[in-house]
Amino acid sequence: QQPVQSPQAVILREGEDAVINCSSSKALYSVHWYRQKHGEAPVFLMILLKGGEQKGHEKISASFNEKKQQSSLYLTASQLSYSGTYFCGTEKAGGGADGLTFGKGTHLIIQP
Amino acid sequence: ETGVTQTPRHLVMGMTNKKSLKCEQHLGHNAMYWYKQSAKKPLELMFVYSLEERVENNSVPSRFSPECPNSSHLFLHLHTLQPEDSALYLCASSRGGGNEKLFFGSGTQLSVL
Repeated sequence: QQPVQSPQAVILREGEDAVINCSSSKALYSVHWYRQKHGEAPVFLMILLKGGEQKGHEKISASFNEKKQQSSLYLTASQLSYSGTYFCGTEKAGGGADGLTFGKGTHLIIQP
Repeated sequence: ETGVTQTPRHLVMGMTNKKSLKCEQHLGHNAMYWYKQSAKKPLELMFVYSLEERVENNSVPSRFSPECPNSSHLFLHLHTLQPEDSALYLCASSRGGGNEKLFFGSGTQLSVL
């Protein structure tokens, strides 16, 4: 079942912060985050495993609450290069190479 | 460059044509995937192959036929498609198993007339 992402779209000024949420009705093994720029392939950002893990890379971080089956992606002091569509992808509990089920995406537009 | 190459980049075909999409990965991965991306249903998983064996088929119509001759190559054979099959078809690979990130190709933009 497809995870639900919110919001569908965000428009920010450069330097502002954003939060993108991803929730599932089913038990999750892990949550992945990808970013896709227009006309390009999705690019991996990070994986979060169960256990309330948080991860971060520079000004992009994420959390995963296994009990609530939710993950959030945090973009702080946004830069123009952050524009694109962000997808969360979920793996079923149990793992394995079953592929990811992606949400519908969140369109992020950063304006100067 | 992600290490996953898809050809052709663009394809226009009629409803009675037969064509194939090709994907090649140079990463030594064991799992390969086909995804369909359209405006209505972004990033739908179509097929999964792990060690050249199909492990997932998400109820895809039989007019789409995958083939994985070895761990580096993946094909999607198309025949008698419908206009609603027009979409971006993305190939991805991973090392296999859980918690492995996907590496995507640039996709084939397919238009069915």
